[in-house]
Amino acid sequence: DTAVSQTPKYLVTQMGNDKSIKCEQNLGHDTMYWYKQDSKKFLKIMFSYNNKELIINETVPNRFSPKSPDKAHLNLHINSLELGDSAVYFCASSQDWAGGTQFFGPGTRLTVL
Amino acid sequence: SQQGEEDPQALSIQEGENATMNCSYKTSINNLQWYRQNSGRGLVHLILIRSNEREKHSGRLRVTLDTSKKSSSLLITASRAADTASYFCATHGRETSGSRLTFGEGTQLTVNP
Repeated sequence: DTAVSQTPKYLVTQMGNDKSIKCEQNLGHDTMYWYKQDSKKFLKIMFSYNNKELIINETVPNRFSPKSPDKAHLNLHINSLELGDSAVYFCASSQDWAGGTQFFGPGTRLTVL
Repeated sequence: SQQGEEDPQALSIQEGENATMNCSYKTSINNLQWYRQNSGRGLVHLILIRSNEREKHSGRLRVTLDTSKKSSSLLITASRAADTASYFCATHGRETSGSRLTFGEGTQLTVNP
């Protein structure tokens, strides 16, 4: 059973398009995250939700909008995609927001042409 | 500059040798975590060490933490080709609100058979 799953695994799209990435965790965790990993493998937090409430909102363009319909799901919608958005996006979850172990999804490789 | 900087950036060793990776950070922490990332995959948690702990073991892994020097090391003993991966340290800062982990830039470990 996959603990943290993301779809799609690969996403290739044109500049200016809008796309969404979905994430689901079946671990019963309260907290979920979105990270962006660039070509140099640097991993940066974008957002975090705890029990459907936004608790971390890093300085990302407002073209990025997370949505958490329930605590098992955290989706990421990106409007007006730009070349610089090309990266691997990881979803993760943790039991709570106390800074413990995080469980990562397999990643979504986004390529903007 | 970033919290959590790994050293070396890349390490290449022969199977059976030990591999040591270091991580330095800048602010006070609650805990420090090590993660492994195989090529094209998500991060996998290895070990969490709390700020009041000095050493932790898990199988062939040994992590040390020196809060006075703001540094940690990850030792992998008797390495195997399957240990080839990127290794990241991540810190949960004492001043951090919520669950934010700050990741270092990673060490790429190659274990040659």
